[in-house]
Amino acid sequence: NAGVTQTPKFRVLKTGQSMTLLCAQDMNHEYMYWYRQDPGMGLRLIHYSVGEGTTAKGEVPDGYNVSRLKKQNFLLGLESAAPSQTSVYFCASSFYYEQYFGPGTRLTVT
Amino acid sequence: GNSVTQMEGPVTLSEEAFLTINCTYTATGYPSLFWYVQYPGEGLQLLLKATKADDKGSNKGFEATYRKETTSFHLEKGSVQVSDSAVYFCALIDSTDSWGKFQFGAGTQVVVTP
Repeated sequence: NAGVTQTPKFRVLKTGQSMTLLCAQDMNHEYMYWYRQDPGMGLRLIHYSVGEGTTAKGEVPDGYNVSRLKKQNFLLGLESAAPSQTSVYFCASSFYYEQYFGPGTRLTVT
Repeated sequence: GNSVTQMEGPVTLSEEAFLTINCTYTATGYPSLFWYVQYPGEGLQLLLKATKADDKGSNKGFEATYRKETTSFHLEKGSVQVSDSAVYFCALIDSTDSWGKFQFGAGTQVVVTP
């Protein structure tokens, strides 16, 4: 039982490049989330999903897109990366109000 | 809207000292309250939770009591260890929020020195 996994762990992008972050969970959870963590700002919700095929915007959705084609996977895409998107990204899934987090992806945009 | 406010860090303590991290909240419904811990280089882990007023959550020597009258959920530990050095996040989820969105505080870094 791997829990929540994230790929990749680290990535450096140039401004304007695109990439996709993959989150996978093996706990059969309906709810999945993408957060970004910046110093002094805690966790901010980017997008979330309440089930396969459904997504919704969180607090800071601009510049990101998501897809939930399979229940166990939640993808976060950056179409044209900007330096302001330098951050640590965490995926989470939840069951009965308990969230389980992945280890994070550290993204640097130069 | 819902919000969580927690004390700013870093909080620096000596080993075996008493730790308190204050957390207050605002919510429109009936929130469940949580403390998460993040060790260096890792994701967040659930530390404890309380789902209704006057509930006390506890785990690994940490405790927090859901105080509806003061809208607070302060985290305490009687004798900290170096291994408790981490960032602690207070969080809530509102029962009226059908989408299951969590609201996190900004986090409080705790540094325990030998």
